[in-house]
Amino acid sequence: AQKITQTQPGMFVQEKEAVTLDCTYDTSDQSYGLFWYKQPSSGEMIFLIYQGSYDEQNATEGRYSLNFQKARKSANLVISASQLGDSAMYFCAMRGWNTGNQFYFGTGTSLTVIP
Amino acid sequence: DADVTQTPRNRITKTGKRIMLECSQTKGHDRMYWYRQDPGLGLQLIYYSFDVKDINKGEISDGYSVSRQAQAKFSLSLESAIPNQTALYFCATSDLGTQYFGPGTRLTVL
Repeated sequence: AQKITQTQPGMFVQEKEAVTLDCTYDTSDQSYGLFWYKQPSSGEMIFLIYQGSYDEQNATEGRYSLNFQKARKSANLVISASQLGDSAMYFCAMRGWNTGNQFYFGTGTSLTVIP
Repeated sequence: DADVTQTPRNRITKTGKRIMLECSQTKGHDRMYWYRQDPGLGLQLIYYSFDVKDINKGEISDGYSVSRQAQAKFSLSLESAIPNQTALYFCATSDLGTQYFGPGTRLTVL
């Protein structure tokens, strides 16, 4: 069974500070991908970053980085130098390459950046 | 122009009505998906299609049907809408990697 868990319903961070959003996963697949999406109040789902299970380096995309700890089955999103525009819902997702290729989403974390 | 488009963007309908949500994509992806999102929750998979001849039920397919008219088009129908189908509906496409979402359709069933 595939499962994504995001245990932080809401987070606050001071502008210009870094913040870590937690994500743990469970999968029977040996090969899988992990994704983070941002959903601002306008509703669209914006792809942020991807990490493959066999990637040895942690993924980075600008101010976003993914802290991938395979043994712990965690894929935390780190946002550096938070900006007011980072206030949004953030969803972690997983895709198992050998188990139907469906995407599984967590319940999300609401991030609020404080000026 | 957006790679994944959804029409309509907003819709208010009455209980018992049939409604169709349409999705088109220009990304050339074979795989297309329909999700619903309820307030404060994540995404739940309704249906997915890996090519024109392949349609699969997701975790919450009851009350919904789909049609894959072409590689680029994937429609979701509510045969007889009910109030608890009020939600934000997303279409998405993917290749072998990332999934890309349309802008969403806000559906309200009165």
